[in-house]
Amino acid sequence: EMVMTQSPATLSVSPGERATLSCRASQSVSSNLAWYQQKPGQAPRLLIYGASTRATGIPARFSGSGSGTEFTLTISSLQSEDFAVYYCQQYSNWPPVTFGGGTKVEIK
Amino acid sequence: EVQLLESGGGLVQPGGSLRLSCAASGFTFSSYAMSWVRQAPGKGLEWVSGISGNGDNTYYADSVRGRFSVSRDNSKNTLYLQMSSLRAGDTAVYYCAQGVMKFHSWGQGTLVPVSS
Repeated sequence: EMVMTQSPATLSVSPGERATLSCRASQSVSSNLAWYQQKPGQAPRLLIYGASTRATGIPARFSGSGSGTEFTLTISSLQSEDFAVYYCQQYSNWPPVTFGGGTKVEIK
Repeated sequence: EVQLLESGGGLVQPGGSLRLSCAASGFTFSSYAMSWVRQAPGKGLEWVSGISGNGDNTYYADSVRGRFSVSRDNSKNTLYLQMSSLRAGDTAVYYCAQGVMKFHSWGQGTLVPVSS
């Protein structure tokens, strides 16, 4: 089973600053990588798929990059509503699809 | 607007059974594969099961294969998850989601605590 590893576990960022989240796959997933945002008490929301394509309605401050085994989610200027947990997920080697353990972005 | 509404969760004893439902609206249900994804309290996301649009193909995580069964009724725009031989480790919020590879829309989830 493909293992997805996210770092850091927690990221402390001030509003307006840039946040960079990392995701590593245990083997190549090509560009079959998605990112989700989850706020407390809510369902996850798809942000990015295909490693770099924003889902419908996602602001341009969210961008994804990478391919193979190394991926990055960048939030260019953090807004108050962006403080949440972010998960990466591979869909190259499925079933099963697998998720990373998450990165919590908190207010510094 | 896509809407997914889960129901059927609730407290169940170890070894018991439960059936979850997910009512879909706002899209052509039969055209989309669907999945169940769960989240244990305070933990991350775990894909549980998926099913093709016509129901011919089903997929399961190793952790639930042989105990859970996914199905759908396209005439009712409803997805189901029949869970049996439940264990404490199955305690989670269960989400239905649109898709089997990436998940464009999610329901609000239904909580299934497994405890005596």
